[in-house]
Amino acid sequence: DGGITQSPKYLFRKEGQNVTLSCEQNLNHDAMYWYRQDPGQGLRLIYYSQIVNDFQKGDIAEGYSVSREKKESFPLTVTSAQKNPTAFYLCASSIRQGPYNEQFFGPGTRLTVL
Amino acid sequence: AQKITQTQPGMFVQEKEAVTLDCTYDTSDPSYGLFWYKQPSSGEMIFLIYQGSYDQQNATEGRYSLNFQKARKSANLVISASQLGDSAMYFCAMARGGSYIPTFGRGTSLIVHP
Repeated sequence: DGGITQSPKYLFRKEGQNVTLSCEQNLNHDAMYWYRQDPGQGLRLIYYSQIVNDFQKGDIAEGYSVSREKKESFPLTVTSAQKNPTAFYLCASSIRQGPYNEQFFGPGTRLTVL
Repeated sequence: AQKITQTQPGMFVQEKEAVTLDCTYDTSDPSYGLFWYKQPSSGEMIFLIYQGSYDQQNATEGRYSLNFQKARKSANLVISASQLGDSAMYFCAMARGGSYIPTFGRGTSLIVHP
């Protein structure tokens, strides 16, 4: 079955540590996205990528970094520079960027800073 | 800047009744797409329905329909014959010309009572 996988489902981090969230898709989609969701809030865009080896900052990129070395993979690193990283992180993909292409989402990773 | 507004933080509906979830948007672009997603307690975002700005007819997908009123900039989701499994958060999103990255509203929590 095609889809998006995110791992781990739950992640605990000590302050000052970098952590990497995994996102893999086998849908052969060109575009991939990372969103952050806080309680009672909508999704806010962190980074997105339209093609391999290219990515752009979203609305809240500070304290995060990404890479897109393979079409199917788009890992997100939450660095120690992110002051309030506790949140629910969702990865998504779409065939391409455009008004007619819905996004497919992974199950999410819940990050908690201890 | 584009903006999505969902004014109903929470809605209650009796099983088998219809319910309307409100969404208004603000954009000056002539080309844009409107989406509705469902987020159950598990966290994964599930695509429900899409409406393009140039579409003449309201979109329908099974029990879901989108009441698109372009002049009023509203894109309300109508769920007919509510089921207990419809209890979830519902998010409205808009992707406009340019990057076509969806912007999400804050969501509406729907609870279906037996």
